[in-house]
Amino acid sequence: EPEVTQTPSHQVTQMGQEVILRCVPISNHLYFYWYRQILGQKVEFLVSFYNNEISEKSEIFDDQFSVERPDGSNFTLKIRSTKLEDSAMYFCASSEDRANEQFFGPGTRLTVL
Amino acid sequence: DQQVKQNSPSLSVQEGRISILNCDYTNSMFDYFLWYKKYPAEGPTFLISISSIKDKNEDGRFTVFLNKSAKHLSLHIVPSQPGDSAVYFCAATSGSQGNLIFGKGTKLSVKP
Repeated sequence: EPEVTQTPSHQVTQMGQEVILRCVPISNHLYFYWYRQILGQKVEFLVSFYNNEISEKSEIFDDQFSVERPDGSNFTLKIRSTKLEDSAMYFCASSEDRANEQFFGPGTRLTVL
Repeated sequence: DQQVKQNSPSLSVQEGRISILNCDYTNSMFDYFLWYKKYPAEGPTFLISISSIKDKNEDGRFTVFLNKSAKHLSLHIVPSQPGDSAVYFCAATSGSQGNLIFGKGTKLSVKP
C-alpha cells in the first residue's frame, strides 16, 4: 500500500540554524501539506501546496518557513532560522484531491536546542 | 479559537463493548469531517470520513454519525478491541479550503 515517507525521523539542531525536512508524498497525489504538533497540543496546519505553489498557509507559517517541490517526488519544508518554539513533530500529508482524505507520514521530530 | 472540540481527553472501554468518541464543531462552513487514529511516535492514520450531505457512514467496525443541526459528530467502534487503543482525532474542513482543523484528541484505552 502506498504511503507518505518522511526523513529524517529525528532532527536535532541549534537555535538559529536552518533545517530542511523532507517528504515523499504518495505518487499520484496532487495536494501536499505540512502540519505540526507541539508536545501535548493538537495537530496544527502550516501550509498546503498545489500545482507548484502555496495554496493556503496559516499564521504560523511566517517568513521563516518555506516549502518547495524540487523534483517530481520530494516535498520539503525549510525553517530558515530555528527557534526553541519550533520544536515539534512535523507531519507531511498528501491527498488526491482537495476534498479527499489526507494521508500522513510518520513525522519528523524536530528538537531545537 | 477551538473550531473543533473533543471534550473528553480520555475514554476507557472493555474489550467487546462499544466505544463512542464525540466531537463538536463551531464553523458551519465545514462540510467534510474525518477521524484519524494515532499511535505514539507515528503519524495520524485515516480511519473514516463523512460528507455533510450524509448523516452516517459505516466501514466495518467503524461508524461515523453526523448531526449538522447540533454541529456534532461521533465515532462508534463496535466491537472494541485492545488494538484500538490509541489517540483519536476528529478533523474538519470546508470545500473552499484544503487544510484540516483538528480537535485535541481523545485517548481510547480498550481493556482486555
